[in-house]
Amino acid sequence: NAGVTQTPKFQVLKTGQSMTLQCAQDMNHNSMYWYRQDPGMGLRLIYYSASEGTTDKGEVPNGYNVSRLNKREFSLRLESAAPSQTSVYFCASSTVSGNTIYFGEGSWLTVV
Amino acid sequence: GQQLNQSPQSMFIQEGEDVSMNCTSSSIFNTWLWYKQEPGEGPVLLIALYKAGELTSNGRLTAQFGITRKDSFLNISASIPSDVGIYFCAGRRNAGNMLTFGGGTRLMVKP
Repeated sequence: NAGVTQTPKFQVLKTGQSMTLQCAQDMNHNSMYWYRQDPGMGLRLIYYSASEGTTDKGEVPNGYNVSRLNKREFSLRLESAAPSQTSVYFCASSTVSGNTIYFGEGSWLTVV
Repeated sequence: GQQLNQSPQSMFIQEGEDVSMNCTSSSIFNTWLWYKQEPGEGPVLLIALYKAGELTSNGRLTAQFGITRKDSFLNISASIPSDVGIYFCAGRRNAGNMLTFGGGTRLMVKP
């Protein structure tokens, strides 16, 4: 029962470096999401993909890009990392109705 | 920005005590969800509420969808050490809309 799997679990980047966070789900869900979590801020939506072939900006999209590679996979890319992007990133997926969202275990990213 | 106000921000209680937390908004939501996040893990869904006034239980947890549709409550009875974690409320206005999350309530339980 893998559910939502995201990699890497931990990453340290230097300012200006780029990286991609990978996410895959095996629940045949249409919708996928990327959130970031910062202390006291709850979860904020970065980008989402309502269905394969579509992506839309969430609440905090600046500095990120996404790719819905296929129905299973949704990647998040930081083209030029900044210290403000130090955070915990969660990938999630849901059915189209989105009534229940399932989260991955998180990726801890530090930008120095 | 964040539109759900969750309180309290943190609680430190004795094992066996009951816990109450709530989530309020100035906007109406048609779905309320409660999640628990343990250290180093992603949030896990505890209870989903779909109708105003709805009261739903999951073991020792009970959540209510406020009648005004602007708030929701979560109660934990007879707390135990494994209840430790951060509890998040989340709301959705309409089908297809994105979830809005509260800031979380950090619960600590003293054995």
